[in-house]
Amino acid sequence: KAGVTQTPRYLIKTRGQQVTLSCSPISGHRSVSWYQQTPGQGLQFLFEYFSETQRNKGNFPGRFSGRQFSNSRSEMNVSTLELGDSALYLCASSLGFDGPNTEAFFGQGTRLTVV
Amino acid sequence: AQKVTQAQTEISVVEKEDVTLDCVYETRDTTYYLFWYKQPPSGELVFLIRRNSFDEQNEISGRYSWNFQKSTSSFNFTITASQVVDSAVYFCALSEGYTGTASKLTFGTGTRLQVTL
Repeated sequence: KAGVTQTPRYLIKTRGQQVTLSCSPISGHRSVSWYQQTPGQGLQFLFEYFSETQRNKGNFPGRFSGRQFSNSRSEMNVSTLELGDSALYLCASSLGFDGPNTEAFFGQGTRLTVV
Repeated sequence: AQKVTQAQTEISVVEKEDVTLDCVYETRDTTYYLFWYKQPPSGELVFLIRRNSFDEQNEISGRYSWNFQKSTSSFNFTITASQVVDSAVYFCALSEGYTGTASKLTFGTGTRLQVTL
């Protein structure tokens, strides 16, 4: 089956602009979680969406937002970009409940560079 | 607050050597879950194992084995007879409670493993 698809793979934006990243989960998966990965801070949880509702949220400023559509595809948006937002953004898809064979699968990420 | 420490930043071994990646965690919860992920150069995190706090049995999967010791808050990962394809960054992660998702995982800083011929 198809894996988790993140688009675009690479992005260069200018400070102050906004950006939207997309994540298409595995078919049938209803949960999408987003992470930011930087050399300095490592992997940090941004938020999780389940059935179009934000279910959990990490400690990021309001400039970081997300949403999920009825087909479970998710987007995250970062407004007023700062140089420190340069990172690899990873999304993970899963069924959304505990049980056997319910592990999350990660996409290859979107590498965002802010100049 | 929960915390995961991977003290080994980088390890280099020659193919066929055994290598152990260390992971020490901190949590106040009695119910928690531990994970290991592999991140190859392509970027995605590949799930390797999940273990809950009530299951201290060691696990072996092919050349991979995991040693979970609650007494020392450690969850170490050993690769036996390493291969070049094992070269990657390995992350240990902790979740207080588990919802079957990747939500609110606390990751360690990762250990870069380089396996050479």
